[in-house]
Amino acid sequence: SAVISQKPSRDICQRGTSLTIQCQVDSQVTMMFWYRQQPGQSLTLIATANQGSEATYESGFVIDKFPISRPNLTFSTLTVSNMSPEDSSIYLCSVRLVYETQYFGPGTRLLVL
Amino acid sequence: GESVGLHLPTLSVQEGDNSIINCAYSNSASDYFIWYKQESGKGPQFIIDIRSNMDKRQGQRVTVLLNKTVKHLSLQIAATQPGDSAVYFCADTPTGTASKLTFGTGTRLQVTL
Repeated sequence: SAVISQKPSRDICQRGTSLTIQCQVDSQVTMMFWYRQQPGQSLTLIATANQGSEATYESGFVIDKFPISRPNLTFSTLTVSNMSPEDSSIYLCSVRLVYETQYFGPGTRLLVL
Repeated sequence: GESVGLHLPTLSVQEGDNSIINCAYSNSASDYFIWYKQESGKGPQFIIDIRSNMDKRQGQRVTVLLNKTVKHLSLQIAATQPGDSAVYFCADTPTGTASKLTFGTGTRLQVTL
């Protein structure tokens, strides 16, 4: 497996502001992903973070709202822009190491007031 | 769209008993399946996986069974312990989707003493 860290671990933000979440992996990985987990629910894929190119977004998620960067094979950021209370969720990054197995970071717990 | 689902939202078992968590998937193109355990305040933790060319795989105290005929997946936990209390998610990746995981709704396992 890999050691995956996320910053911040949690935050409370005011509506209309933006928050950037960082994901750091202790080894180079081909694929990194960002997921959202709304309170009491399952995980939904936001996008695939592509190294050196624009992220690939899933239906219902757009770059203006969730800009993603991936400058190298060990690091990625997700920004939640112009936040509203509906954005209160856990945001998780994951990495793919071998085959299709994905390993997850600890998550960032976001509360928007 | 198609999704992976679970039969029971909450499962209560007595310590020492065996637990069985079930999952139904609908996408016949799915060829890789993963079980995750998510404890409160943490990210999903990989438990065990299975490919569609297998019908059973065993790990430490856990066994995953796959029945492709009825599109059913199960996770068996032997001698359930209090530390097994968590939410369990199944997830699948259909062929050719670049590792995009589709998660089920989750089953909460409560271990009683």
